[in-house]
Amino acid sequence: DTEVTQTPKHLVMGMTNKKSLKCEQHMGHRAMYWYKQKAKKPPELMFVYSYEKLSINESVPSRFSPECPNSSLLNLHLHALQPEDSALYLCASSQGLQGRTGELFFGEGSRLTVL
Amino acid sequence: QKEVEQDPGPLSVPEGAIVSLNCTYSNSAFQYFMWYRQYSRKGPELLMYTYSSGNKEDGRFTAQVDKSSKYISLFIRDSQPSDSATYLCAMCGQGAQKLVFGQGTRLTINP
Repeated sequence: DTEVTQTPKHLVMGMTNKKSLKCEQHMGHRAMYWYKQKAKKPPELMFVYSYEKLSINESVPSRFSPECPNSSLLNLHLHALQPEDSALYLCASSQGLQGRTGELFFGEGSRLTVL
Repeated sequence: QKEVEQDPGPLSVPEGAIVSLNCTYSNSAFQYFMWYRQYSRKGPELLMYTYSSGNKEDGRFTAQVDKSSKYISLFIRDSQPSDSATYLCAMCGQGAQKLVFGQGTRLTINP
């Protein structure tokens, strides 16, 4: 079982809705990530939080808004999404500066469908 | 040209076969090389981790890195149906927070 927990597993929303994806880890990791994955494609990095501060934003549209309330939690707030935003959204964590570079622990993902 | 090239397959082999998966890359700054395995409807999981050049073995899995050729490989011995998954190579440079992934190779092991 993964030690990165994502909720909900599935989400269907309309283009005018506001929803949030949640991610939690209790491994003491200090870096957390949001990735987007389309079918038969590799994960695409969206955001990185390092020590609870946003360190990377890969020019993601403002309809996606990340939040890191504390070192264990990561949220992704969704508003006015488009059908092309339908994808698997993956949360990951890593030890950060003290850990092995590139060693990420992924959650099982939240499958988002935008109607 | 993509920074990391990986044949997407699909690749289908009989149970017990030796599987060879490969990636090439162009960025000589890459020092950390990973193979992630992703089962259908699941998140990726780290399978093998290698720093710089050389070989690493873990059970039926062997990872090889040839930095001079900018080429990495994953070998699976005595392949099992449970190895059926998508295998993603990934790499990054020193201190990097962003991994560069290959396209992923879909592998099916037939009983």
